[in-house]
Amino acid sequence: DSGVTQTPKHLITATGQRVTLRCSPRSGDLSVYWYQQSLDQGLQFLIQYYNGEERAKGNILERFSAQQFPDLHSELNLSSLELGDSALYFCASSVEYRVETQYFGPGTRLLVL
Amino acid sequence: AQTVTQSQPEMSVQEAETVTLSCTYDTSENNYYLFWYKQPPSRQMILVIRQEAYKQQNATENRFSVNFQKAAKSFSLKISDSQLGDTAMYFCAFMKLAGNQFYFGTGTSLTVIP
Repeated sequence: DSGVTQTPKHLITATGQRVTLRCSPRSGDLSVYWYQQSLDQGLQFLIQYYNGEERAKGNILERFSAQQFPDLHSELNLSSLELGDSALYFCASSVEYRVETQYFGPGTRLLVL
Repeated sequence: AQTVTQSQPEMSVQEAETVTLSCTYDTSENNYYLFWYKQPPSRQMILVIRQEAYKQQNATENRFSVNFQKAAKSFSLKISDSQLGDTAMYFCAFMKLAGNQFYFGTGTSLTVIP
């Protein structure tokens, strides 16, 4: 158990819908990262927040957005969902905002029908 | 841009034997970090081992060790005394020292055979 929690574990929704994935980092970690793991594209970095502020952006679509709240939990919002958004979404956390080992949560499996 | 290549999509090893997983990377950076992550069937990502590029000594963590060849941009993982619980997907990852983004390889699926 890495100490990072993600909810829900599974999510099934329809195309065009919007969902919110939630992540609670390890106690004391200020940085949260979001990743997407799909079958055909491997593990892709989406976005990082540090102490409430966006720090880095990766291959995140404009339909996706994220935020980190004062209590340091983070939410990833996915809107206008498409079939291709079906994937495993991981959250990871670390103490600092760079050069630090990241600890991954169990992931949220999203299925868009 | 940084790329990470894992050329072995699947591997298998007999229980108690040793296996080596390969990883190469491409970067123009001089200082960076390299990681091996394990993803068992539960799909959770678990840190196996980490190597700082400025350290010449290869990292070890119990039965896991790496062979870090900076000039060749190679970072292989050796698993000794393989156990059934080692069955998982293994990902090699790169992070720039001045950055905070992971670049992952496509993974190697390892099966430990009883």
